[in-house]
Amino acid sequence: NAGVTQTPKFQVLKTGQSMTLQCAQDMNHNSMYWYRQDPGMGLRLIYYSASEGTTDKGEVPNGYNVSRLNKREFSLRLESAAPSQTSVYFCVSTPGQGGLLYTGELFFGEGSRLTVL
Amino acid sequence: DAKTTQPPSMDCAEGRAANLPCNHSTISGNEYVYWYRQIHSQGPQYIIHGLKNNETNEMASLIITEDRKSSTLILPHATLRDTAVYYCIVRGREGGGNKLTFGTGTQLKVEL
Repeated sequence: NAGVTQTPKFQVLKTGQSMTLQCAQDMNHNSMYWYRQDPGMGLRLIYYSASEGTTDKGEVPNGYNVSRLNKREFSLRLESAAPSQTSVYFCVSTPGQGGLLYTGELFFGEGSRLTVL
Repeated sequence: DAKTTQPPSMDCAEGRAANLPCNHSTISGNEYVYWYRQIHSQGPQYIIHGLKNNETNEMASLIITEDRKSSTLILPHATLRDTAVYYCIVRGREGGGNKLTFGTGTQLKVEL
């Protein structure tokens, strides 16, 4: 049971390049999230997926796209990277129950450190 | 989703209790309060959560006021390893999902 796995852990890009951050969980969770964390700041929500087949914007979605490929995987794509996207990215999953009240632990990936030059 | 407000930083002497406050005055009746902490740039670690009753586990205690507008996380005997950023969040619903919003947290520094 690996929990939440993010790849890559480190990446350096040049401005304008594209890349995809991969996230997979093996806990049969419904809900998955992508956050970014900049130095000295809290976690800001980029996109989330309440269940397979659905995605929604968070606080800072501009410059990103996501795909909930299946129940296990939730990827984050930067189509044209900018220096402002230099950050540490965290993928999170939680069981979730769609529209129903839910409580439970959040499971975090180890983070992906992205630098855009 | 309810917003949370936390002091940006707090200090605590090692061995003493650390009491970290959180204001969530707009919390709704079906929202839970969660606490996480983050050490350096690691992924946040779950500490505790609750709805309206006080909760205790091996790591901490959570005290929620009767009106649920605020809560306090208590680390009973803080150690140097408890130095971290502590986040208070509430679980809410939006569009049928579970949108999770973090604030900027409280940087707790435990000192000798």
